[in-house]
Amino acid sequence: AQKITQTQPGMFVQEKEAVTLDCTYDTSDQSYGLFWYKQPSSGEMIFLIYQGSYDEQNATEGRYSLNFQKARKSANLVISASQLGDSAMYFCAMRGSSRSGNTGKLIFGQGTTLQVKP
Amino acid sequence: NAGVTQTPKFRVLKTGQSMTLLCAQDMNHEYMYWYRQDPGMGLRLIHYSVGEGTTAKGEVPDGYNVSRLKKQNFLLGLESAAPSQTSVYFCASTSNTGELFFGEGSRLTVL
Repeated sequence: AQKITQTQPGMFVQEKEAVTLDCTYDTSDQSYGLFWYKQPSSGEMIFLIYQGSYDEQNATEGRYSLNFQKARKSANLVISASQLGDSAMYFCAMRGSSRSGNTGKLIFGQGTTLQVKP
Repeated sequence: NAGVTQTPKFRVLKTGQSMTLLCAQDMNHEYMYWYRQDPGMGLRLIHYSVGEGTTAKGEVPDGYNVSRLKKQNFLLGLESAAPSQTSVYFCASTSNTGELFFGEGSRLTVL
């Protein structure tokens, strides 16, 4: 069975500093994808970044980067130069390969609430 | 671009009442999903569909039914609402190769 674990219920970071949100996963699939979503207090789900299991380089999208350590089964999100608008809930999610029958669906972690202090 | 639209956005029900949540997407996606979000539990998959006329159970399907009569629409039904179904419900769709696109969520309270 696939599983995503986010062990940090809440995090604080000072504005303009970098922060790492932890995510570990468990899967027997060889091919899978890892996603991060942001959920601000308004409630919508915003896609941030994607990492494929065969991607050799860590994914980056602006101030977001994904620290992918395949052997350790971790996919941590790094936010550089934190801004007040980064305060939100962050979810890590995984999609398995189609051969495992996952049919595109994502499995989510419990989420981490990030608060950026001015 | 509307993307994924959910209706209604808010609803209050009494125990035992029924209701249907409607999800509509205009991106021609084959795959659609219904998730529920509860505090401390992330998003859990209720039911999903891989194409028009098909549905399948997710992680927490009990107490819910779904239908996908048209490719663009995915309906979630509660036949007899229970307080345990108080939650925020999200619909999502994807082409299966990219990220999930989510609706804005529907907040349901069952008294």
